[in-house]
Formats: sequence, C-alpha cells, structure tokens
Amino acid sequence: NAGVTQTPKFQVLKTGQSMTLQCAQDMNHNSMYWYRQDPGMGLRLIYYSASEGTTDKGEVPNGYNVSRLNKREFSLRLESAAPSQTSVYFCASSDEGQMNTEAFFGQGTRLTVV
Amino acid sequence: EDQVTQSPEALRLQEGESSSLNCSYTVSGLRGLFWYRQDPGKGPEFLFTLYSAGEEKEKERLKATLTKKESFLHITAPKPEDSATYLCAVQLLYNFNKFYFGSGTKLNVKP
Repeated sequence: NAGVTQTPKFQVLKTGQSMTLQCAQDMNHNSMYWYRQDPGMGLRLIYYSASEGTTDKGEVPNGYNVSRLNKREFSLRLESAAPSQTSVYFCASSDEGQMNTEAFFGQGTRLTVV
Repeated sequence: EDQVTQSPEALRLQEGESSSLNCSYTVSGLRGLFWYRQDPGKGPEFLFTLYSAGEEKEKERLKATLTKKESFLHITAPKPEDSATYLCAVQLLYNFNKFYFGSGTKLNVKP
C-alpha cells in the first residue's frame, strides 16, 4: 500500500538554484495538492489540481510552479529557490465527489535553502 | 475570511488524564471538518471526518464532536503512544479542493 510517494525526502539548495519535487499516488484519486508546513503556521496550500490537466493556485503560490503530468503524478517546481522557501513540503491526494473526501498525505520533503 | 484556530498550542498530560483539544473555525460554508494525527517527521494521518453539527465519531481513546462553530477532540485515558500533533482542517462547501488547516496541538503524554 504505497499511497502517496514523494521524492526526495531531504534536499539542500543554494539560493537561486532550481529543483522539482515529485509526487505520485496510486489510489486513482482525481485531486492532488501541494502544501508547505512551517513551525506555528500549520499547513498552507500552494497549488492544487482538481483533475488531470488542470491546476489552480492556493494560498501561497508565489515562487512555485506545478505540473499535473497525468492522473498519478503532480510535481512542484522551484525555479529560483529563496531562503523563505525553507520548509517541509507535503503532497496529498483526495477523491472529492465521493462520500469520503479526506486527503491522504505523503511523508514530506524537508527542503533547506541556504 | 476563512480561518481555523486550534487550542491549546501544546498540552502535557499524565497517562490516564483525560482532556480535550479545541478547533474553532470561521468559514463561508463548511462541507466537512477533518482531524489528523501527525508524528514527528511524518505526514498527517487521517483520523475522522465530521459533516454536520451534533455528529460524533470515535476511535479507540479518541472521540471527535462538531458544533456550528467548533470541534473538539476528546482523549480519554491517554497513553504515551497518543503523543503527537493533532491537526484539524475544514473543507469548504463551495470548493471541495480547499482545505484550511489549523496550526495544530502538540500533545505529550507522560507515563
């Protein structure tokens, strides 16, 4: 039961470098999400994708781009990393439209930008 | 503005000492309220969904309740393995893809 898988688990970047966080789910969910979690601030939505081929901004989209590659995969790209993007990033998926619409989360990517 | 507030930020209990965690919310329309458990270095793990005021859900030592303005997570006779951060989230009625999370309550249960 893989659920939601994120790679990498840890990453250190220098300011200005770019990178892509990968996420895949095997639950056949339509919706996928990227959140960041910072101490004392809870989880904040960066971007989401309600279905294959669509993406929408969340609360904190600046500095990020996303791609919904297919129904399984949703990637998050940092084009020019900044220290303010140091955070733990979580990918999640859900199947809204059904009775149970809870989101299932990956294990997270801990990103440090120096 | 849609927002979720959890209290207290941290809670220390002795094993067996029951207590409650609070999640108050202000949203334009509530589709559902979710409780998650998060262990250090892990992603949130789903516990409960509540959809309407008066609804209750139970799982082992945990019971979640919902009113029109807040939700409580009651922990009865907790054990050290219940130590974790508990998060609540609201799902908006007009957009099922919008979940707003509180900042969590960090629970520490001492033996």
